[in-house]
Amino acid sequence: EPEVTQTPSHQVTQMGQEVILRCVPISNHLYFYWYRQILGQKVEFLVSFYNNEISEKSEIFDDQFSVERPDGSNFTLKIRSTKLEDSAMYFCASRSGQGTLSGANVLTFGAGSRLTVL
Amino acid sequence: RKEVEQDPGPFNVPEGATVAFNCTYSNSASQSFFWYRQDCRKEPKLLMSVYSSGNEDGRFTAQLNRASQYISLLIRDSKLSDSATYLCVVKRDNDYKLSFGAGTTVTVRA
Repeated sequence: EPEVTQTPSHQVTQMGQEVILRCVPISNHLYFYWYRQILGQKVEFLVSFYNNEISEKSEIFDDQFSVERPDGSNFTLKIRSTKLEDSAMYFCASRSGQGTLSGANVLTFGAGSRLTVL
Repeated sequence: RKEVEQDPGPFNVPEGATVAFNCTYSNSASQSFFWYRQDCRKEPKLLMSVYSSGNEDGRFTAQLNRASQYISLLIRDSKLSDSATYLCVVKRDNDYKLSFGAGTTVTVRA
């Protein structure tokens, strides 16, 4: 079964450092996402990416965050200067955007990258 | 009003019991509905899509009530392995994002 892969699985960083989280979405999917989940809280939308540009972003996704699809397979989330409150699990997800309505909108998640900011 | 609201539970049920819970959504333009399952510290995984006419997948039954803007999930003959947090997910037709509820925790005891 196709899967979304994420690296690293866990990263520990000092406050103020830059972090890049990497994702390889499912190859024929067209829509890519980053979500985050602070421990014990809900899954929160950060950003969606379609056709090589940001299609939607949340209030959380401020100037400290950026996304990139540097080649045909990788999708990255960069946090420029990490804060303590950025500590969370970051999930990458993708969906095909093709076929039946429900099928096209099914999100497949990676296993997540746990970010700990000290 | 939150976009997607769920009763957090927890629902503690014995093996073999039936458990059901709802999720309400605020935007009537919502078009796609899903139930995801999340185990502790793992990624959400699709349990089932929710269709307008209601649908069943084994022991799981999902219903959509557009008039009252809620979806429901019913689990029959609960197994220990059904213990998880169940996430309600909603997408509006013109949005890119899918919005998640905070989850309903179900614990099945032997």
